[in-house]
Amino acid sequence: AQTVTQSQPEMSVQEAETVTLSCTYDTSESNYYLFWYKQPPSRQMILVIRQEAYKQQNATENRFSVNFQKAAKSFSLKISDSQLGDTAMYFCAFMKLQGGSEKLVFGKGTKLTVNP
Amino acid sequence: NAGVMQNPRHLVRRRGQEARLRCSPMKGHSHVYWYRQLPEEGLKFMVYLQKENIIDESGMPKERFSAEFPKEGPSILRIQQVVRGDSAAYFCASSPNLAGVVGSGANVLTFGAGSRLTVL
Repeated sequence: AQTVTQSQPEMSVQEAETVTLSCTYDTSESNYYLFWYKQPPSRQMILVIRQEAYKQQNATENRFSVNFQKAAKSFSLKISDSQLGDTAMYFCAFMKLQGGSEKLVFGKGTKLTVNP
Repeated sequence: NAGVMQNPRHLVRRRGQEARLRCSPMKGHSHVYWYRQLPEEGLKFMVYLQKENIIDESGMPKERFSAEFPKEGPSILRIQQVVRGDSAAYFCASSPNLAGVVGSGANVLTFGAGSRLTVL
C-alpha cells in the first residue's frame, strides 16, 4: 500500500519570505501522480499543484513550485513571496493509476502560518 | 459551473440516528469519490462510484455505511445508527470520464466544501 509522510506538523513563515514543505512517499508503482492540496480555515480542499511521475521537469504554478525527486520519493512544495492568504493546512497526496480508480492517498498535513 | 455541491454543510445527529450526506458532482463529471477527514488527520478514501455502479469501496467500513450514485440525482453517503466516532468532515470529489488516461488532465479531483457531521 502507498503511504505519504509529511514530517512537519506545523510551520510558520514571515510574509514575503519563502517556505518549503516536505513530503515523502512510498510506492512500488512507476506511473503515478502527486498533488499538493491546500485547506484554508473554510475547509475547502483546493488543488495547488500537480506533478506527473513520468515528467522530469518540476511543476510550477505562479508562486508555487515543487522539487520532485523520483528516486528519493520526495515531493516538496516551495511557496515563494508568502502571502497572508497562504495560511492553511497543506496536504501532499499520491494517486496511482489502477484500472481507472483514482484514489488519492493523503499525508497528515502541515499547518502553515504566514505572519505579517 | 457551480462546482461540486455538498449538503448539508453541517449535520448534527444523536447516537443511533441515520445521517445522509449528498453530493452533486461538477457538470460533465461522472465519477464521484467520498473521503472522510477525522480531526487533525488527512483525508481517507472511502468509496468511488460511477452512475449506478460502485467501483471501489475498499475504504468503506463494513457495517452501517453505504453509498449510491443513482442515474438521476446526487450521490448519497448514508450512515446508519451513527456513533460518536463517525463525527468527521465528509468530502465528496468528482472527476471527468477519462479515468486512467495518462496525461489527459483528467486525474484531477475537484472537491466539494465538505459536510461536517457531529454525533452527540
